[in-house]
Amino acid sequence: DTEVTQTPKHLVMGMTNKKSLKCEQHMGHRAMYWYKQKAKKPPELMFVYSYEKLSINESVPSRFSPECPNSSLLNLHLHALQPEDSALYLCASRSGKAEGTIYFGEGSWLTVV
Amino acid sequence: AQRVTQPEKLLSVFKGAPVELKCNYSYSGSPELFWYVQYSRQRLQLLLRHISRESIKGFTADLNKGETSFHLKKPFAQEEDSAMYYCALGRGTGFQKLVFGTGTRLLVSP
Repeated sequence: DTEVTQTPKHLVMGMTNKKSLKCEQHMGHRAMYWYKQKAKKPPELMFVYSYEKLSINESVPSRFSPECPNSSLLNLHLHALQPEDSALYLCASRSGKAEGTIYFGEGSWLTVV
Repeated sequence: AQRVTQPEKLLSVFKGAPVELKCNYSYSGSPELFWYVQYSRQRLQLLLRHISRESIKGFTADLNKGETSFHLKKPFAQEEDSAMYYCALGRGTGFQKLVFGTGTRLLVSP
């Protein structure tokens, strides 16, 4: 199993809503990532979790709140988002080995209205 | 600062023609470089990494530290190679972060 599974695939939310994106992997990977990808742009790193602890926050606004409940799950809690936050949100994971490959999920398409 | 440059937004070739997708990087440390591919409506997939020095789907890429380049090459393009290709730079070992280039869309026509 080399899959990173993301739900939901599509999400439409209002600017006052609270929603969450979920990511799951069962490869035993100890690093998990959130990336944001705008249309026709490359993915941009948001957060990195290493052994369930937040290790990198790329100066992401606090309206995005990551959570890693256990080694297989990664959530991204969304609150008071802006229309410009509409994008594809990608989850990825990687093993702890130095040569480990980073595997990406299919992403969650978020539209903020 | 880390930076990855892919100068071409679109590369259009005919089936059977050679392909070279360019990638240049800037990084003060020891770089780890990757090529990722994104086919239409599919997830981002690792195509190549420089440390493995292998050929995947006929593609190869050689790290040239003197020219700070990691160009992706294939001698004979196929229609199924049409996709978005991203060059990415990772920092060192461990739980590295990837910095992506802006991507090159490869279009292979029959």
